[in-house]
Amino acid sequence: GAVVSQHPSRVICKSGTSVKIECRSLDFQATTMFWYRQFPKKSLMLMATSNEGSKATYEQGVEKDKFLINHASLTLSTLTVTSAHPEDSSFYICSTEGGQYYGYTFGSGTRLTVV
Amino acid sequence: QQPVQSPQAVILREGEDAVINCSSSKALYSVHWYRQKHGEAPVFLMILLKGGEQKGHDKISASFNEKKQQSSLYLTASQLSYSGTYFCGLNTGNQFYFGTGTSLTVIP
Repeated sequence: GAVVSQHPSRVICKSGTSVKIECRSLDFQATTMFWYRQFPKKSLMLMATSNEGSKATYEQGVEKDKFLINHASLTLSTLTVTSAHPEDSSFYICSTEGGQYYGYTFGSGTRLTVV
Repeated sequence: QQPVQSPQAVILREGEDAVINCSSSKALYSVHWYRQKHGEAPVFLMILLKGGEQKGHDKISASFNEKKQQSSLYLTASQLSYSGTYFCGLNTGNQFYFGTGTSLTVIP
């Protein structure tokens, strides 16, 4: 099945700084990748759909200027949390769509803590 | 719009069975099931594509009732390794939603 690599796994940053999270598909070309946010003991909430070579599609309520998504190649999508604040602290996970017969494959997740 | 799962949490002893239900307010094209261990990413368990389809591997199986817009996950003779949070994922055709989650703890 698909393999997705996500880095970093943990990051601590100061308020006001920006953090970039990378998601790489290692063994296939991903035209579409998804970014989720998960709060403790809660479900995964889709933030945006990342499309290779075009603008990302953001879910309602997600600030486009705060959560910048770039999908410049078929193997790499990045999420940049700009001007981070403590309320941005969360678990961020990327995934790819496996097609009709396969589920989604997730990256290992990034635990972001803003202090 | 988020699918509702029940129960929210369940504690089992090794060897006991459990059923996790997932209900949608929208018509469904397919259902996914995932398990997430604490601090890790979700792992795909299975997908059900047609109404009435039942699938299973090892001692974990699932059913999909298209008419009722529901799916159930069945865990039999539970093992310690089954502990985690289970999520259903529902495909409505143009959207995909994860359920509210069910925390399952298996104790010796």
